[in-house]
Amino acid sequence: EDQVTQSPEALRLQEGESSSLNCSYTVSGLRGLFWYRQDPGKGPEFLFTLYSAGEEKEKERLKATLTKKESFLHITAPKPEDSATYLCAVRGMKTSYDKVIFGPGTSLSVIP
Amino acid sequence: SAVISQKPSRDICQRGTSLTIQCQVDSQVTMMFWYRQQPGQSLTLIATANQGSEATYESGFVIDKFPISRPNLTFSTLTVSNMSPEDSSIYLCSVVMRAPNYGYTFGSGTRLTVV
Repeated sequence: EDQVTQSPEALRLQEGESSSLNCSYTVSGLRGLFWYRQDPGKGPEFLFTLYSAGEEKEKERLKATLTKKESFLHITAPKPEDSATYLCAVRGMKTSYDKVIFGPGTSLSVIP
Repeated sequence: SAVISQKPSRDICQRGTSLTIQCQVDSQVTMMFWYRQQPGQSLTLIATANQGSEATYESGFVIDKFPISRPNLTFSTLTVSNMSPEDSSIYLCSVVMRAPNYGYTFGSGTRLTVV
């Protein structure tokens, strides 16, 4: 059965203190790993799609990387506006349509 | 990528009543997805809505409780029926986006509180 876990559950950083969020997955044939940002009371906002081990993508202070078992979302010199919940999701080969499984998320707080 | 309008954005409902949530997309899409996000939890897929056919429900979700309509390629509704406080959640619709990146676009969600 496809599974996604994320760690830590919550992370508190000082402004400018870089760190990484982890997404570990078990899936039968990865067809895509997705990162989202969700602000309170809003729907998830798409950040990245990764497809194969070794792939990296960047957007402003965020960089996502992928291995065969996990993905990391690196946050460089975070600002308070980066505070949000970050969700990871995967799509596997067993799915017959565009279905994804979401992890529980990491709640990030960046303190000024 | 597609823009999704979802309404209502929030509602407070009495137990035993029903609420219909609407999702309008600004482009034609084959499949629309409905998710539930319980307080402090991640997203759980309720069902997939294909235009012209019955929705496909995930384990633990049934049509009598969550009837879905998909009358055309840009619109869908989800009804939460005979509500109880345990149905208090955020409900989200989503569609696949294929350009410029493959991924999923979400509506802003409906925050439902059942009292």
